[in-house]
Amino acid sequence: DTEVTQTPKHLVMGMTNKKSLKCEQHMGHRAMYWYKQKAKKPPELMFVYSYEKLSINESVPSRFSPECPNSSLLNLHLHALQPEDSALYLCASSQDEDRVVSGNTIYFGEGSWLTVV
Amino acid sequence: GESVGLHLPTLSVQEGDNSIINCAYSNSASDYFIWYKQESGKGPQFIIDIRSNMDKRQGQRVTVLLNKTVKHLSLQIAATQPGDSAVYFCAEANSGGYNKLIFGAGTRLAVHP
Repeated sequence: DTEVTQTPKHLVMGMTNKKSLKCEQHMGHRAMYWYKQKAKKPPELMFVYSYEKLSINESVPSRFSPECPNSSLLNLHLHALQPEDSALYLCASSQDEDRVVSGNTIYFGEGSWLTVV
Repeated sequence: GESVGLHLPTLSVQEGDNSIINCAYSNSASDYFIWYKQESGKGPQFIIDIRSNMDKRQGQRVTVLLNKTVKHLSLQIAATQPGDSAVYFCAEANSGGYNKLIFGAGTRLAVHP
């Protein structure tokens, strides 16, 4: 079982709604990530937080707003989304951000299925 | 590992047979590789990893082979079981930079009794 917990598992929202996705890990990891995955496609990186600071934004539209309140929590605030934003949103964590190597690999949560209507 | 196409390639195997899932990566600077298993409705699950200074690494029922010359990675699953049915992704990373994984397109493994 994954030690990265995501809520909610399913979310349906209108294009004018404001909602948030939440992620929590208790492995002491200091790097946390948001990935987006469309059906039958691989996950794509959106944001990386390292030691609670945003270090990578992969040119994600501003209608997605990440937040890292502390080292265990990561939120993704959603506002004015489009139907094409419907996807599985995956949170992940690793020991730290510095170098993907054995022992510092990235572990994923089960994801939040988002449908924008 | 560029993602391409709308249809996942599928590997169909009989229960008990060995499975080999292949992956071609594109970045010669990548020096760390991971295989993930993703079951329907779930997040990717770490299976095994390998660094570029190795050609082979074995886990429990799984083996990863790396051929840097042709930029090819494979995952071998011994005695495939119905529970192995899933989509398998290879992912590559360059340890010289930030913690960024680039995922391959994925292969669906279907295990038949």
